[in-house]
Amino acid sequence: NAGVTQTPKFRILKIGQSMTLQCAQDMNHNYMYWYRQDPGMGLKLIYYSVGAGITDKGEVPNGYNVSRSTTEDFPLRLELAAPSQTSVYFCASSYSRGTGFNEQFFGPGTRLTVL
Amino acid sequence: KQEVTQIPAALSVPEGENLVLNCSFTDSAIYNLQWFRQDPGKGLTSLLLIQSSQREQTSGRLNASLDKSSGRSTLYIAASQPGDSATYLCAVCYETSGSRLTFGEGTQLTVNP
Repeated sequence: NAGVTQTPKFRILKIGQSMTLQCAQDMNHNYMYWYRQDPGMGLKLIYYSVGAGITDKGEVPNGYNVSRSTTEDFPLRLELAAPSQTSVYFCASSYSRGTGFNEQFFGPGTRLTVL
Repeated sequence: KQEVTQIPAALSVPEGENLVLNCSFTDSAIYNLQWFRQDPGKGLTSLLLIQSSQREQTSGRLNASLDKSSGRSTLYIAASQPGDSATYLCAVCYETSGSRLTFGEGTQLTVNP
């Protein structure tokens, strides 16, 4: 298994540009997440999905959009890039059933700079 | 507000020392707590997951404990090695947050040869 994969690894955007960060997992996990990590800080949840076709906002959703058309893929869209979106973005997935939640597995991250 | 706090923010120890990293959380109603390791410029690697009903989990030289009543978890690393140098993150899955994790800011560990 490749686990959780993310592309691209690095990207530089100009203010106002848009882009999509790709995330895929091959573990048949139903839950997927997008986090951002600013320097010296913990991770903050942007959006998450409990299954194909179902998404919900996390702690810091403004400026981002997501979709989940398949179990495997969970892309994150930035429509109008702003310097405040300079960060490292991590995608994660987990399998959960019933009332319990299992460990989350993380991708290697995408380092985004907006100039 | 449900928060997670990790103290200290940074720790430097000589090789071979046993050490404890601390994590505190503000609400005892949790599903689980997860410890991660993050190397510079890399993603997060899951180390240990403790479910709400468990008191501790062990993996090799690592032992994580959970005390919900006091809102605390500790990660014990035995016989530390330079390869243990990394940032260690604690994340809590609160019952009111569903599957979402709330992260601490991490403890940056340096093990000196």
